[in-house]
Formats: sequence, structure tokens, C-alpha cells
Amino acid sequence: EAQVTQNPRYLITVTGKKLTVTCSQNMNHEYMSWYRQDPGLGLRQIYYSMNVEVTDKGDVPEGYKVSRKEKRNFPLILESPSPNQTSLYFCASTSRGSYEQFFGPGTRLTVL
Amino acid sequence: SQELEQSPQSLIVQEGKNLTINCTSSKTLYGLYWYKQKYGEGLIFLMMLQKGGEEKSHEKITAKLDEKKQQSSLHITASQPSHAGIYLCGASLASGTYKYIFGTGTRLKVLA
Repeated sequence: EAQVTQNPRYLITVTGKKLTVTCSQNMNHEYMSWYRQDPGLGLRQIYYSMNVEVTDKGDVPEGYKVSRKEKRNFPLILESPSPNQTSLYFCASTSRGSYEQFFGPGTRLTVL
Repeated sequence: SQELEQSPQSLIVQEGKNLTINCTSSKTLYGLYWYKQKYGEGLIFLMMLQKGGEEKSHEKITAKLDEKKQQSSLHITASQPSHAGIYLCGASLASGTYKYIFGTGTRLKVLA
């Protein structure tokens, strides 16, 4: 089944404790992206990747890191999480030439 | 940064009624996308509009993009409880870029 998976689905952590949210797609898509969704602010793009080793900042990259060492994986790293990073995070992927994004199920992160 | 304005923010309709959701940009958009999100879950792609004046339909949902490519509407005919959820419009800003922006969403509730 074609899908985008994210892990973990739920995470509660404390300020300053480094964490990684994984994202994997099995559709051989070139493009992958991370978003955060907050009430009243909608969906905002954090980082995106056009292909392996090619990443770029979205609208809200501060406090986040990404890497794209393999085509299928695009982990989101929070080196020192803060409470304002409490949010619902989505990973998405799409193939070159298509603009239909396939979204993962989301990761609900709470930073205390 | 460029924004997409969605209206209304929330909508409660009786089953069987028609409804319209609007999405407006201050600038010309390259591509306009409509997604549906079940509460707290991932986004499901509905339709993409790219050409000025374009209109697409899927089952009871019709989306239109105006000639100037700055405004889109999503129309649901004879709404059903299964239409309930959050509808988001998204847009890409230029050809060849995978930098996306999204509206804040319209929360739809359909009363049986």
C-alpha cells in the first residue's frame, strides 16, 4: 500500500531534550516536506526537500533541522525543543512533476 | 509572507443543504489545491486547479478557480454527514517550486 508513515504518532517530552520524528514514504517520491499545524494559523511549511541531499527552508524553519540521506526518509530533528514547538506535525511527499501531496497521519508533539 | 484567506472559518449546515467555501489570495497563484482533513488526522487530496476559469468536480464537490487565479471556491451539493471535516486550500507559488502555503481551514459540521 502506497503510504507516508510517521513515528511516533504521539510524543510528550520536556524542554531541551533532543528528539527526532521520522518520516518514510514507499512511493519513490522525490519531494518531501514537513509541516506544522496550529489552531488559527493553519498548516505552515517547515522544511522541504527536492531530492536526496537537497533541502530548503519553508516558512517556519527556526528550531528545526532536517536531513535527506535516503530518498524514502526525511526525519525532522528538534535539537532543543521548546514549548512553542508543541504542535501537530505532518510529513508529505509527492513525485516530480506532480503537485498532489500525500500526507502522513501526523505526529502530535507536546513539549513541557 | 503571502497568505491564503479562507472563509468561513466554520460552518454548520443541515444535511442536504448546499454550501460554499472560499479561498482568496492577494497574488496570482500557480496552482490551487483543496484538501480535506478529518479532525486530528492527515490531509486527503481532493482537487487541483491550475488554469484560470478551471472547474473540476468529484462526486458532489465542485471546485472553481477564477480567471485571475486569485480566488477559488469549493461547493458541496446536498451535503452529507460524511462531508464533515476541515477543508483546506493550499497553493504553490510558482512553477517548479515545492514551496507551499495553506489557508487556515474551514471546519464543516453537517447535522443529520
